[in-house]
Amino acid sequence: EVQLVESGGGLVQPGGSLRLSCAASGFTFSSYSMNWVRQAPGKGLEWVSYISSSSSTIYYADSVKGRFTISRDNAKNSLYLQMNSLRDEDTAVYYCARIRGSYHMDVWGQGTTVTVSS
Amino acid sequence: EIVLTQSPGTLSLSPGERATLSCRASQSVSSSYLAWYQQKPGQAPRLLIYGASSRATGIPDRFSGSGSGTDFTLTISRLEPEDFAVYYCQQYGSSMYTFGQGTKLEIK
Repeated sequence: EVQLVESGGGLVQPGGSLRLSCAASGFTFSSYSMNWVRQAPGKGLEWVSYISSSSSTIYYADSVKGRFTISRDNAKNSLYLQMNSLRDEDTAVYYCARIRGSYHMDVWGQGTTVTVSS
Repeated sequence: EIVLTQSPGTLSLSPGERATLSCRASQSVSSSYLAWYQQKPGQAPRLLIYGASSRATGIPDRFSGSGSGTDFTLTISRLEPEDFAVYYCQQYGSSMYTFGQGTKLEIK
């Protein structure tokens, strides 16, 4: 079964850091580009970051540029999101998603919740 | 940045009716890079349509997508009870993704 499982969410104070992980299974992880997408409580979807299959290409949304770092370990079938200098507005459910050829996302994890609050 | 505007914000219909959801882009979008997702409360989004008009695996044929340039449409021909959810359009271009704000399809 093709599956993505996020972990690492939690409660963190403003200015703090958190590292999210996404474990992939059931497919050849190293062949796919991946995204992080987030959803603030009661709000819509917001793209966060993109990484190509070989990590050679990385993009960030302006809202997280300079604070978040996406990475992957193809040997461990894992995707990561290092989040630093967290702000209240980073509070959201964070999803990892697999990207297909037309840049659409066909497999999503169940999400992990990040709460930034003092 | 390409802004996607979805309308209406909320659509109230009954099972068996036809639903037409609109997604308008602030500038031309490649049809290849336009997708639609369905999201139910407490669940992750589910891919419905990619490339503006191609149904994803396992998606019933009552779902169809159309459009080009700046105007795209998701049509659900005959609403089933499980179709009531929030729908998002998404585009990729200029090294970034954007989503529409969503259309909530609710039971009338």
